[in-house]
Amino acid sequence: GAVVSQHPSWVICKSGTSVKIECRSLDFQATTMFWYRQFPKQSLMLMATSNEGSKATYEQGVEKDKFLINHASLTLSTLTVTSAHPEDSSFYICSAINPAGLVLGGRRETQYFGPGTRLLVL
Amino acid sequence: KQEVTQIPAALSVPEGENLVLNCSFTDSAIYNLQWFRQDPGKGLTSLLLIQSSQREQTSGRLNASLDKSSGRSTLYIAASQPGDSATYLCAVSEAGKSTFGDGTTLTVKP
Repeated sequence: GAVVSQHPSWVICKSGTSVKIECRSLDFQATTMFWYRQFPKQSLMLMATSNEGSKATYEQGVEKDKFLINHASLTLSTLTVTSAHPEDSSFYICSAINPAGLVLGGRRETQYFGPGTRLLVL
Repeated sequence: KQEVTQIPAALSVPEGENLVLNCSFTDSAIYNLQWFRQDPGKGLTSLLLIQSSQREQTSGRLNASLDKSSGRSTLYIAASQPGDSATYLCAVSEAGKSTFGDGTTLTVKP
């Protein structure tokens, strides 16, 4: 099936630093990617929708100046957590869709999820 | 706004039992519904994907059904095994983005 990768898989950083997380679609072009986060013992919540070549759309309550999203190519979206604080510690997962049509037997609306990035801010 | 509810929140069963996990959603205008498995500290493993035009999907001991008009889906696990212990998440997709339920944490005891 289609593959979406994330890098890094985990990161530990000091409070106040910025962390960049990459999401790549490896075998298809993703015009749209989504970023989710999951706090401990909670479910995944959509943070933002990332469209190639345009500004991201953020969900209510998500600070766009804190979580910078760049979708500069059809295979890469990045999420930068700026001035990270302990409360930003979470599991960040991206997903990608290929709206162009069938991909490896899937339907165009199908999302392909990355393996996630675990962020711990000390 | 779409809301997804999963019942029960937790379930503990002895090995070998058949079990059903439930998922309900409030807006029936979905593209598809997907069941995932998540092990502690890990990412998502896709189990079954049901398109909006489909009624069910099967994979091995797993069977998922979808009743879009009533906003319900069930995940049936046959002959449960200790290795099935995990959190099971239901997610509905609309225009590409997904709304997740809170999950059902399953423990299968040997």
